[in-house]
Amino acid sequence: QITLKESGPTLVKPTQTLTLTCTFSGFSLSTSGVGVGWIRQPPGKALEWLALIYWNDDKRYSPSLKSRLTITKDTSKNQVVLIMTNMDPVDTATYYCAHRRAPAWFDPWGQGTLVTVSS
Amino acid sequence: DIQMTQSPSSLSASVGDRVTITCRASQGISDFLAWYQQKPGKVPKLLIYAASTLQSGVPSRFSGSGSGTDFTLTISSLQPEDVATYYCQKYNSAPLTFGGGTKVEIK
Repeated sequence: QITLKESGPTLVKPTQTLTLTCTFSGFSLSTSGVGVGWIRQPPGKALEWLALIYWNDDKRYSPSLKSRLTITKDTSKNQVVLIMTNMDPVDTATYYCAHRRAPAWFDPWGQGTLVTVSS
Repeated sequence: DIQMTQSPSSLSASVGDRVTITCRASQGISDFLAWYQQKPGKVPKLLIYAASTLQSGVPSRFSGSGSGTDFTLTISSLQPEDVATYYCQKYNSAPLTFGGGTKVEIK
């Protein structure tokens, strides 16, 4: 059974850097074709794909946020980390991580973590 | 980059009605399309992948069709438990863009 769980701060100040960790079980990020992605959802708004990392350390980013995002993995710890710089109140959202087997859909998803950006 | 446009953005229908949601890609994506259901306050759940393949456990009243640029999600007989927002997503290559969502309510 694949499970994922996001962790990180619930509140960050404008201009600060957000670091989120996705801890997963039931699969290995050293298996060919496997990836973990990040998706966010502002309150009452649509889903937005952010970033993706594959078993071979290939990384993909949303073009609109690429300059602010960094995604990394620690295969030994079964973790994926997303770093987003220069946070703004518009970045307030629930952030999800999800499992992906390329070229495929996201399934399953973590429970999500709400991050609020406010001074 | 390919854009994904869903319509309508919301709809209200009666129990038992047939409901159709449309997703249009700005360029062809073959059948690399997934549909997700997100009930209020819940995590998105995969409904359909490869445009028309029902995920295990999903009721058969849900169906998907289409290829290339035009796709549809159909609920053959709307049930109260289908109240949710539905999203399409392209997954052939990054960026893995989602549609804007369609909120389905009961009339």
